[in-house]
Amino acid sequence: ILNVEQSPQSLHVQEGDSTNFTCSFPSSNFYALHWYRWETAKSPEALFVMTLNGDEKKKGRISATLNTKEGYSYLYIKGSQPEDSATYLCAFAKSGAGSYQLTFGKGTKLSVIP
Amino acid sequence: ETGVTQTPRHLVMGMTNKKSLKCEQHLGHNAMYWYKQSAKKPLELMFVYNFKEQTENNSVPSRFSPECPNSSHLFLHLHTLQPEDSALYLCASSPTDSSGTYEQYFGPGTRLTVT
Repeated sequence: ILNVEQSPQSLHVQEGDSTNFTCSFPSSNFYALHWYRWETAKSPEALFVMTLNGDEKKKGRISATLNTKEGYSYLYIKGSQPEDSATYLCAFAKSGAGSYQLTFGKGTKLSVIP
Repeated sequence: ETGVTQTPRHLVMGMTNKKSLKCEQHLGHNAMYWYKQSAKKPLELMFVYNFKEQTENNSVPSRFSPECPNSSHLFLHLHTLQPEDSALYLCASSPTDSSGTYEQYFGPGTRLTVT
């Protein structure tokens, strides 16, 4: 059983604040680490797929880093806006056959207060 | 129509009913997935099909029966469900060629309530 943990489970931030949250995953048999954003009443949508240790990806005010040796990834949101309110999911892909199959964490629910 | 679609969006069924969930993707992907989302739990992978062949069955009870007639369509047939099967059922698709990152594209889900 693969263990993917996310913390915190939820957080509330004021508009304009920057925030970050963590995903931890197995440090062996790594293939990729995915981040998804899931807004209420919508479909989860991919933010980043990261494959290399030390990877850093950015999309607008959101960025992510990856440490495969110690098995963690951080997601950062700079200057949070109300539209950033969503649940952020990370998912681990194991190397080998079937590396397209993902194991998800429980998510971090972010609420941005105007 | 583009992306991943699911029907119905909401379903209420009794424990003795038989119903089916439908998923369709217009992205040309090879793999399709069924996930279950229950309260306070992570997305749980139920079934995976790659090129219409089932490659994963995550110890799912036989009252859930998947069907993948082609790479674009996926069904989940439901019969004699239990109230604890009430959940959001999500379909997803992804490419599976080894050069890719296998990013998954999700449908909007079917909210299932078993009474």
